[in-house]
Amino acid sequence: AQSVTQLGSHVSVSEGALVLLRCNYSSSVPPYLFWYVQYPNQGLQLLLKYTSAATLVKGINGFEAEFKKSETSFHLTKPSAHMSDAAEYFCAVTLNQAGTALIFGKGTTLSVSS
Amino acid sequence: ETGVTQSPTHLIKTRGQQVTLRCSSQSGHNTVSWYQQALGQGPQFIFQYYREEENGRGNFPPRFSGLQFPNYSSELNVNALELDDSALYLCASSWTSGRATDTQYFGPGTRLTVL
Repeated sequence: AQSVTQLGSHVSVSEGALVLLRCNYSSSVPPYLFWYVQYPNQGLQLLLKYTSAATLVKGINGFEAEFKKSETSFHLTKPSAHMSDAAEYFCAVTLNQAGTALIFGKGTTLSVSS
Repeated sequence: ETGVTQSPTHLIKTRGQQVTLRCSSQSGHNTVSWYQQALGQGPQFIFQYYREEENGRGNFPPRFSGLQFPNYSSELNVNALELDDSALYLCASSWTSGRATDTQYFGPGTRLTVL
């Protein structure tokens, strides 16, 4: 069975600091992996996705993630945090393509202080 | 290009009642998935509709049912509401061609409160 574990329910950084949000997955077959962001009282917005092409994936708003099969990880990073990055971030996995059931982690709340 | 829209935005019901939530898929998409997001949790897959038929279902009881219409819009119906049904209900649309389905894009959600 597939699953996703997001380490750290809450991450706090200063504006301009590196953002690192951790995601580890469990899957018996090569997975498709996603990061979504959720701002307060809004739906989910796709940040980036890994679909077995390049292992380093670049997304919107300066975020990127690296697929590491040996570590079963798909951590999300951004070199320099901005106040507008404060939100809830969800890692998700699915088996075949991107349209079947997404399995989400519990989410990580990112706080950015000035 | 029109994004995914959902209605209503908020809804308050009492235990035992029935509720219908609506979703209009993004322009060009033919597949709709529904998710339940309880407070402080990640979304959980309820079911998916493609070609007006259920195309996968999560671990939800039969009192959760759905429909997809010829214009690809969709409804989620929940009967005999329970307090634990209080959650944000998210709809996601995507494009399916043959056996391949593309990325899911989410709507803003409907906040359901059951008293």
